[in-house]
Amino acid sequence: EDQVTQSPEALRLQEGESSSLNCSYTVSGLRGLFWYRQDPGKGPEFLFTLYSAGEEKEKERLKATLTKKESFLHITAPKPEDSATYLCAVRSYGNNRLAFGKGNQVVVIP
Amino acid sequence: NAGVTQTPKFQVLKTGQSMTLQCAQDMNHNSMYWYRQDPGMGLRLIYYSASEGTTDKGEVPNGYNVSRLNKREFSLRLESAAPSQTSVYFCASPGGDQPQHFGDGTRLSIL
Repeated sequence: EDQVTQSPEALRLQEGESSSLNCSYTVSGLRGLFWYRQDPGKGPEFLFTLYSAGEEKEKERLKATLTKKESFLHITAPKPEDSATYLCAVRSYGNNRLAFGKGNQVVVIP
Repeated sequence: NAGVTQTPKFQVLKTGQSMTLQCAQDMNHNSMYWYRQDPGMGLRLIYYSASEGTTDKGEVPNGYNVSRLNKREFSLRLESAAPSQTSVYFCASPGGDQPQHFGDGTRLSIL
């Protein structure tokens, strides 16, 4: 069974204070790891897909990295508009489903 | 969210009542999914449909039924609502290597 654990559950940052979110996963064979952003009252919004260890992707102040056991979402010099819950999910080969973690709730204080 | 539309956005039911949540996607995808999201539990898969005419159980299917009406539409039915089914329900599409796109959810309260 695919499993995803995200840490920390909640994080408060000062504006400009860089930090990282962790997503540890267990799968039989990784087909893809996905990062989503979710704002209150909205559905998850797709950010990145990572497929193999060593892969990195960037979008504005966000950078996602992948190893064989975990993924990190680095937030560089965050702004208040980066406040959201960040969700990590994995899909394994032979499986049509995503397994989600419980999310990292990030609050950026001006 | 563009591409996946859910109705209604909010609903309050009494225990024992029935209702159907509607989902439509305009991206011509084969796969569609229903999730529920509860505080501290994350997103859990209820049912999914890999293609028109097929449906499969997910992690938490008890108390729910689904219908893949056509390629665009995938509905979720609560036959006899229970307070434990109070949740936010999300529909998503597609599957495979492509990232899933989610609707904005249906917030359901059962009294």
